Amino acid sequence: SQQGEEDPQALSIQEGENATMNCSYKTSINNLQWYRQNSGRGLVHLILIRSNEREKHSGRLRVTLDTSKKSSSLLITASRAADTASYFCATDWGNSGGGADGLTFGKGTHLIIQP
Amino acid sequence: EADIYQTPRYLVIGTGKKITLECSQTMGHDKMYWYQQDPGMELHLIHYSYGVNSTEKGDLSSESTVSRIRTEHFPLTLESARPSHTSQYLCASSATGYNYGYTFGSGTRLTVV
Repeated sequence: SQQGEEDPQALSIQEGENATMNCSYKTSINNLQWYRQNSGRGLVHLILIRSNEREKHSGRLRVTLDTSKKSSSLLITASRAADTASYFCATDWGNSGGGADGLTFGKGTHLIIQP
Repeated sequence: EADIYQTPRYLVIGTGKKITLECSQTMGHDKMYWYQQDPGMELHLIHYSYGVNSTEKGDLSSESTVSRIRTEHFPLTLESARPSHTSQYLCASSATGYNYGYTFGSGTRLTVV
């Protein structure tokens, strides 16, 4: 499978602390994306990092990408109760391998922010 | 505010019924996708489209079918629903080319009894 795998599966922290989630994948990619999903609803796109980028910031989010290790991390700083959600990494490897063209998602990290 | 709309939000239907899940987007995106997601699990791609009259099967085998007659509309149909089809179905769209994120609808939670 080409899918990414998030680690940890679940994370519970206190409000104000930083949350770090990791993602590993198996093949070369065009880009890696992070999404948030609240309570089984649709996913919201958070940030995209291209294969030639190593770090990207967006507000309280910081994403790193290490293509040599085929891994990425998502850091949420100064967490808030509203950050409670599931976070998914998704890899875009196109259909160069003969598979379907579309993002491949991991199982997600369920993040709980305790007030 | 969502630019991609899925209806219905929830659907409970009996075995053997034909159902169509609707998905429409107003962004003019050529690429559209259907994903299936069981609770607490990853998303699996079941269908995608590059544009009008283009439909392809995804990585996960599905008994559903799709059509793309208009750019903005990508409905998914199950000819005969079964309990094994119980799941959440998520529609998404993206601009053509690499390095674009997906916009997802709110999903349809289907229960077949």
